[in-house]
Amino acid sequence: NAGVTQTPKFQVLKTGQSMTLQCAQDMNHNSMYWYRQDPGMGLRLIYYSASEGTTDKGEVPNGYNVSRLNKREFSLRLESAAPSQTSVYFCASNRIPLGGLRVTEAFFGQGTRLTVV
Amino acid sequence: DAKTTQPNSMESNEEEPVHLPCNHSTISGTDYIHWYRQLPSQGPEYVIHGLTSNVNNRMASLAIAEDRKSSTLILHRATLRDAAVYYCTLNAGGTSYGKLTFGQGTILTVHP
Repeated sequence: NAGVTQTPKFQVLKTGQSMTLQCAQDMNHNSMYWYRQDPGMGLRLIYYSASEGTTDKGEVPNGYNVSRLNKREFSLRLESAAPSQTSVYFCASNRIPLGGLRVTEAFFGQGTRLTVV
Repeated sequence: DAKTTQPNSMESNEEEPVHLPCNHSTISGTDYIHWYRQLPSQGPEYVIHGLTSNVNNRMASLAIAEDRKSSTLILHRATLRDAAVYYCTLNAGGTSYGKLTFGQGTILTVHP
């Protein structure tokens, strides 16, 4: 059982370059999330997708775009990378039951360590 | 979104119990209290969650205050593998879906 898989694990970009971080989950979860974690800090939510076909902004969405390609895959795109986007990026997923009154545990990927020079 | 407050760091000796506190004084009635931990160079890992009643699982216990403004994660016998950053988070249901709000967490050091 792979859980949440992120690619790539490491990436170095030059300022202004673009790239897409990939995330896939095999647990049939309806909700997926992208977080970033800066050194010594907790995780901050960038974007989330409550269900296939929907996406919404989180706490720090500026400079990012997302695509919920299907139920399994949720990608994060940096159109023009900046040094301030140097961070570790985590994808997560969980299942939100109908009505959303009870939230299940979230599963996280191993992270993508991105450096923008 | 409601916030959580945790001590920056705590220390324990191996095989002793550890009590990790968390304050969440602005918690709303539908917020679940979730605990995650993050080992070095890994993604966060679910530990336990609860709403009102105390909860136990194979990893830990969660004690929730009667007014729900605070909670305590209890590791009954700390091991070296429990050394990690522990995050107390509030996971809202309803229109907030499963979004997690992370604070800075508590760095737990376990001494042999």
